Amino acid sequence: GAGVSQSPSNKVTEKGKDVELRCDPISGHTALYWYRQSLGQGLEFLIYFQGNSAPDKSGLPSDRFSAERTGGSVSTLTIQRTQQEDSAVYLCASSLAGTRLDKEGKETQYFGPGTRLLVL
Amino acid sequence: RKEVEQDPGPFNVPEGATVAFNCTYSNSASQSFFWYRQDCRKEPKLLMSVYSSGNEDGRFTAQLNRASQYISLLIRDSKLSDSATYLCVVNRGGYSTLTFGKGTMLLVSP
Repeated sequence: GAGVSQSPSNKVTEKGKDVELRCDPISGHTALYWYRQSLGQGLEFLIYFQGNSAPDKSGLPSDRFSAERTGGSVSTLTIQRTQQEDSAVYLCASSLAGTRLDKEGKETQYFGPGTRLLVL
Repeated sequence: RKEVEQDPGPFNVPEGATVAFNCTYSNSASQSFFWYRQDCRKEPKLLMSVYSSGNEDGRFTAQLNRASQYISLLIRDSKLSDSATYLCVVNRGGYSTLTFGKGTMLLVSP
C-alpha cells in the first residue's frame, strides 16, 4: 500500500517568506508526527497529532511554527517569516495508535521521504 | 545529559566483521526502544524494536538494560549493504513521541 507522502520534496525560499509543508499519512493511521533534521543533527520532535488534535506541541521551536490536521488525515506544517536557521529536512511520520503504551507495547512509526527546506 | 546519546562515528569495518553500537538514555520512564536505520538522504526506517529480554533478527541482536538505561545493537557478519546511519530511538516516557539519538554512521568496506 501507499506509504507516507510529503510535498514538496524540496523547497527553496527567501528569508521572511512563509512556507507550507504537507504530509499525507498512511490511510487509517490516527497518529501523525512532525520532526525536523538539521545538517549533522539528530531528528528533533516538533508536534504530535492524535486525530485532529495536538496533545503534544512541545517541540515547536517558536510561535512562527504551527501545524494543523484536518479530517484525521492530511497535515500541514506552516513556518511564518522563515529564517535561515529553519533550513532542514522536515519529516512526517504516522502510526496506527499513538496512545499511551503499555510495557513492551510497540508501535512502529513510518516516515515519509521528507521536505528539504532551504531558506536563503 | 542528552536524552539519547550514541557512540560518535563513523565506524569503518571490513565485510564480515562484527560491530556493536551503544546507546544510553536519560528518561527512566521510557518504555519503548528501537533501532532505526537511515540511509544517506533517505528517511529513517525501523530496523528492530528492542525488548526487555533482548531479541535477535538474523544477523542483528538488540539488548536492553533498564537499570543502566543502556541499549545496544550488534551486527554480525556485516555486509556492504549495512552501510548506513543507525539511530537509537526511545519513546518519551510512556507516550509514543520518539526521541532520536544523533546516530552512528557505519561504513562497511570490501
